[in-house]
Amino acid sequence: NAGVTQTPKFQVLKTGQSMTLQCAQDMNHEYMSWYRQDPGMGLRLIHYSVGAGITDQGEVPNGYNVSRSTTEDFPLRLLSAAPSQTSVYFCASSLGHGNQPQHFGDGTRLSIL
Amino acid sequence: GDSVTQMEGPVTLSEEAFLTINCTYTATGYPSLFWYVQYPGEGLQLLLKATKADDKGSNKGFEATYRKETTSFHLEKGSVQVSDSAVYFCALISGGGADGLTFGKGTHLIIQP
Repeated sequence: NAGVTQTPKFQVLKTGQSMTLQCAQDMNHEYMSWYRQDPGMGLRLIHYSVGAGITDQGEVPNGYNVSRSTTEDFPLRLLSAAPSQTSVYFCASSLGHGNQPQHFGDGTRLSIL
Repeated sequence: GDSVTQMEGPVTLSEEAFLTINCTYTATGYPSLFWYVQYPGEGLQLLLKATKADDKGSNKGFEATYRKETTSFHLEKGSVQVSDSAVYFCALISGGGADGLTFGKGTHLIIQP
């Protein structure tokens, strides 16, 4: 049972480059989300999806795009990376929203030079 | 908006000591409350949860009681072990929950043998 799988685990980019962080879950969860974790800030919600074909913005969406073409996958795209996007990114999924427990991936550590 | 305030660390204790990590919240309506734990290099794992006032969540010797009158959800453990060393996050979901978890900044717990 893989749970939530994130790739890559580590990435270094130059300012202005683009990349996609991958997230896949094998639990048939409807709800998926992306968070970023910064020192002293806790985790902040970037984007979320309540089901295939539906996405919405969280607390800190600027500079990021998402899509949800399948139930399993929820990629996060950085179109033009900036140093302020240096962070650890976590993908999470749950059966639904509300008080359903969320399952987290192991994270992607991203550095923007 | 919703917010979670928790004591920031690091908190350093000796093995077998009693643990309390304070958490208070501000939210509209009746949120569900959670404690998540993050071990080094890993994603977050749900430790325990409570969905209504006076509920007590418990797991692995940890407990927390949903106190609506004091808007608190303090984490306690009677006798900590070295293996409990981790970062602990208090979090909530309010309303329909579609816009994800609101996290505290995290408390780094260090248990010394």
